[in-house]
Amino acid sequence: DAGVTQSPTHLIKTRGQQVTLRCSPKSGHDTVSWYQQALGQGPQFIFQYYEEEERQRGNFPDRFSGHQFPNYSSELNVNALLLGDSALYLCASSPIGQGNYGYTFGSGTRLTVV
Amino acid sequence: DAKTTQPTSMDCAEGRAANLPCNHSTISGNEYVYWYRQIHSQGPQYIIHGLKNNETNEMASLIITEDRKSSTLILPHATLRDTAVYYCIVRMEYGNKLVFGAGTILRVKS
Repeated sequence: DAGVTQSPTHLIKTRGQQVTLRCSPKSGHDTVSWYQQALGQGPQFIFQYYEEEERQRGNFPDRFSGHQFPNYSSELNVNALLLGDSALYLCASSPIGQGNYGYTFGSGTRLTVV
Repeated sequence: DAKTTQPTSMDCAEGRAANLPCNHSTISGNEYVYWYRQIHSQGPQYIIHGLKNNETNEMASLIITEDRKSSTLILPHATLRDTAVYYCIVRMEYGNKLVFGAGTILRVKS
């Protein structure tokens, strides 16, 4: 049983560019959350998607947007990249209503903005 | 902001119990204590959670004080593979997001 799959694993972008990160949730999971983890810090919640809608959002600017598809997979888009957007981006999936132990994290996408 | 306070780092000898403390003095009645860990270059992994009773699973035990203002995660027989950052998180059981602090770096040494 595959867990959460994220792609790509590593990415280098230039300041001002746009980037799209992808996430396939664990089988049986229908809710996807995205987190940003800067070096040496804990992950920070970006937003969560369920039923193809953004359900909750953290303190991130509108440059960060997302999408969830009918097959529950999700994309994270970041526009006008800044050097400070360099981080590990984590995707977590869960079956709605089954509490915390349903959260499964992917290994992340390492984004470097130069 | 995270609602928990953890030591920055801890060392533990291989084969011994690792006891990781966490303070959560502002926890409310409907909030649970959760523990995750993150091994280098991987995503966080769920360990255990509890409300007010002590909990045990195949990975660890969770001891919550009677006033619920602090808790301890116990890894009964630490191995080198338990070296990781351990995060203590307070949230409602069906809350939407996890608020991570800086966590505790646990180094298990042979």
